[in-house]
Amino acid sequence: DVKVTQSSRYLVKRTGEKVFLECVQDMDHENMFWYRQDPGLGLRLIYFSYDVKMKEKGDIPEGYSVSREKKERFSLILESASTNQTSMYLCASSLQGREQYFGPGTRLTVT
Amino acid sequence: GQNIDQPTEMTATEGAIVQINCTYQTSGFNGLFWYQQHAGEAPTFLSYNVLDGLEEKGRFSSFLSRSKGYSYLLLKELQMKDSASYLCAVVSGAGSYQLTFGKGTKLSVIP
Repeated sequence: DVKVTQSSRYLVKRTGEKVFLECVQDMDHENMFWYRQDPGLGLRLIYFSYDVKMKEKGDIPEGYSVSREKKERFSLILESASTNQTSMYLCASSLQGREQYFGPGTRLTVT
Repeated sequence: GQNIDQPTEMTATEGAIVQINCTYQTSGFNGLFWYQQHAGEAPTFLSYNVLDGLEEKGRFSSFLSRSKGYSYLLLKELQMKDSASYLCAVVSGAGSYQLTFGKGTKLSVIP
């Protein structure tokens, strides 16, 4: 069974703080993704990575950065959190051309 | 650009059949996924279509017409546990890693 884990289920941060969201997958998948999900807007891709140290911008990368130092781990970084980054963040992984497996999500609140 | 349309909400009766439609306009096409997402949980993979026609998997079937930019998910013998959001997602462009998701259809199954 593929397992994708995320470091926190719930997180509360203050405006201006640096926030790290961690994602780990245990199935040796090449591809990893970060999405945010907001009511009425659906799932939107922030960044993805198709190999270690490789990253590509998704549809809404502004205000975010990512890091992939090891194949199994993909981190999302909010350099200076803002209230409009309050959202559910979902990590996913996949083999090339195959379905994506999602982690349980991190509900981030920025106050 | 990418545009994926699904109905926002649907209601159906336990034991009945329901069809959830998805239309898409994308700059390329390399497959279409359907995911199920229960409230507060991560999306889980249901089906994948890359060629025209019907793919059947137990109570769930998915259909694709590439010439019409159209897909549907058919759920038979509805059960209360099928109450969830159903997400349509398109892979655009050969070799593309990215999925573009529709906003999802919230299905409510009533007794």
